[in-house]
Amino acid sequence: KQEVTQIPAALSVPEGENLVLNCSFTDSAIYNLQWFRQDPGKGLTSLLLIQSSQREQTSGRLNASLDKSSGRSTLYIAASQPGDSATYLCAARANQAGTALIFGKGTTLSVSS
Amino acid sequence: GAVVSQHPSWVICKSGTSVKIECRSLDFQATTMFWYRQFPKQSLMLMATSNEGSKATYEQGVEKDKFLINHASLTLSTLTVTSAHPEDSSFYICSAPGDSSYNEQFFGPGTRLTVL
Repeated sequence: KQEVTQIPAALSVPEGENLVLNCSFTDSAIYNLQWFRQDPGKGLTSLLLIQSSQREQTSGRLNASLDKSSGRSTLYIAASQPGDSATYLCAARANQAGTALIFGKGTTLSVSS
Repeated sequence: GAVVSQHPSWVICKSGTSVKIECRSLDFQATTMFWYRQFPKQSLMLMATSNEGSKATYEQGVEKDKFLINHASLTLSTLTVTSAHPEDSSFYICSAPGDSSYNEQFFGPGTRLTVL
């Protein structure tokens, strides 16, 4: 059964720092992997989607990488801003039709000004 | 991107009552939808897979008689929490895979259920 782990659970950084959030998954046979952002009490905002055949995806200051063989993904945030403060969730989808995403517990990021 | 809506966005009910939550795909069809539950400061846990035209499949530990799922059409799935109790208070989120080759999951905004 797929398990997704995110490290660290919480992270505090000053504004302007570059940072990396880590995600690992136990079953490398994934279809794709998504990174989400969740603000307190809110729903999910999809940030990046990486297909199993891809190595990375970029959107603005965000860059997500995927290494299937090692079961790892990272989310790189450049030049962090206070508005980046949120919980970041990593989710993997099994390599089967009609399967749901399995989520990690998330990393709660706090960026201070 | 594709849009998934949920209704209501929040609901407060008395213990013992039933609550229905709707999940709609607004601009695409979804033969499959997923229901998740999120307790405070926890991650999203998959509850069940809703299948249009057939029975839902439930994850281990989720009571199918308590959480009734009906996938009435290609754009609508409903989750009914029957005889709700305070421990059912949670954030319920649905999702549906888009119809592109990327098969990205699109999530609804969630429904916060509080059972008194």
